[in-house]
Amino acid sequence: SQQGEEDPQALSIQEGENATMNCSYKTSINNLQWYRQNSGRGLVHLILIRSNEREKHSGRLRVTLDTSKKSSSLLITASRAADTASYFCATDAIGKLIFGQGTELSVKP
Amino acid sequence: EAGVAQSPRYKIIEKRQSVAFWCNPISGHATLYWYQQILGQGPKLLIQFQNNGVVDDSQLPKDRFSAERLKGVDSTLKIQPAKLEDSAVYLCASSSGRSTGELFFGEGSRLTVL
Repeated sequence: SQQGEEDPQALSIQEGENATMNCSYKTSINNLQWYRQNSGRGLVHLILIRSNEREKHSGRLRVTLDTSKKSSSLLITASRAADTASYFCATDAIGKLIFGQGTELSVKP
Repeated sequence: EAGVAQSPRYKIIEKRQSVAFWCNPISGHATLYWYQQILGQGPKLLIQFQNNGVVDDSQLPKDRFSAERLKGVDSTLKIQPAKLEDSAVYLCASSSGRSTGELFFGEGSRLTVL
């Protein structure tokens, strides 16, 4: 069963703009992770945020977590064409990682 | 450090045939996962191993799917007999096993069932 739901399902922006993707989940979690998947490739881990953290940064990535609303957001600043990919949130609730359906991001040069 | 290795990368079979996928995780990683990813969807966990023991296989269709991890290192996922709806990418991932931290994924094995 899928726990996380990403919004929007697809997002198209111009290079240099910021991209924001949201993830909602249903149960209490230990941590939430974001992954990227380029077309035809495996998933690559981007960032992990624990349930007692509210915000985390990694390069051009900013992740927030609101456990009261059971939601997270991923912000990619100053996007590049190379950021074109699918982005998935994944929640760890009971020792296993459950993925959402993903957001397909297209960054046009 | 070598990544997660999977083979074959692509496989086309007819329905009711059998297929096997192989995965070699990152050296020293105790936990190994098999995920099924249908086109346009997120990965769905099929089975999780801790060393050579099964931690979770609640989503594995056990009437046709089987998986093993002998000696706690590499793993094989088998489908027999295959159905059309098994067409998907089968992703193997591993982690160091210290709680559910970062997963390292292989490139996946794309299965097409005709």
